[in-house]
Amino acid sequence: RKEVEQDPGPFNVPEGATVAFNCTYSNSASQSFFWYRQDCRKEPKLLMSVYSSGNEDGRFTAQLNRASQYISLLIRDSKLSDSATYLCVVNTGSARQLTFGSGTQLTVLP
Amino acid sequence: GAGVSQSPSNKVTEKGKDVELRCDPISGHTALYWYRQRLGQGLEFLIYFQGNSAPDKSGLPSDRFSAERTGESVSTLTIQRTQQEDSAVYLCASQRDPSYNEQFFGPGTRLTVL
Repeated sequence: RKEVEQDPGPFNVPEGATVAFNCTYSNSASQSFFWYRQDCRKEPKLLMSVYSSGNEDGRFTAQLNRASQYISLLIRDSKLSDSATYLCVVNTGSARQLTFGSGTQLTVLP
Repeated sequence: GAGVSQSPSNKVTEKGKDVELRCDPISGHTALYWYRQRLGQGLEFLIYFQGNSAPDKSGLPSDRFSAERTGESVSTLTIQRTQQEDSAVYLCASQRDPSYNEQFFGPGTRLTVL
């Protein structure tokens, strides 16, 4: 089983739609969680951290379920500019720190 | 301030040649990572440097791959006797220190092995 698993998609949604991505992780000792965004042919960049209580940043909401070992990202009122690959990232506590999922591709259609 | 830089941005080489990729991390960042990303795939961890500790080389796919880092500065990733399956984008990331989780990525080196 992969340490971090994501549905690769692609998710094709119309502008204004709400879309949600899930990610599961295998190491119950994982300490912290993040979503990164990677635009086509660009490097990944941190989108937001995921806190135990859940957190929101504008149209983006991240949630963590430690019991079920998954995290989620909800995007409301999606924009064309949200089209990207969203990477689930987990700090597994190992020396190399962060483990990246393979990403979920989102395309927002006009 | 300056971000992570990598050079070259693109490299085309012939099968069997050696290549050297360079990463300049953000000044003061103690941790440095190399990843490989094949077309349409996720990030594949290669190697991790933290300060003066022994590097974590657990992700290197074969002994043709090696990396060096001098102190907390520049790192080079060397691929010897390149194969076509080495074609990918090689991404470098730096991190302030292990207590800070955010990694800052460079733009990558796109390697094509003919």
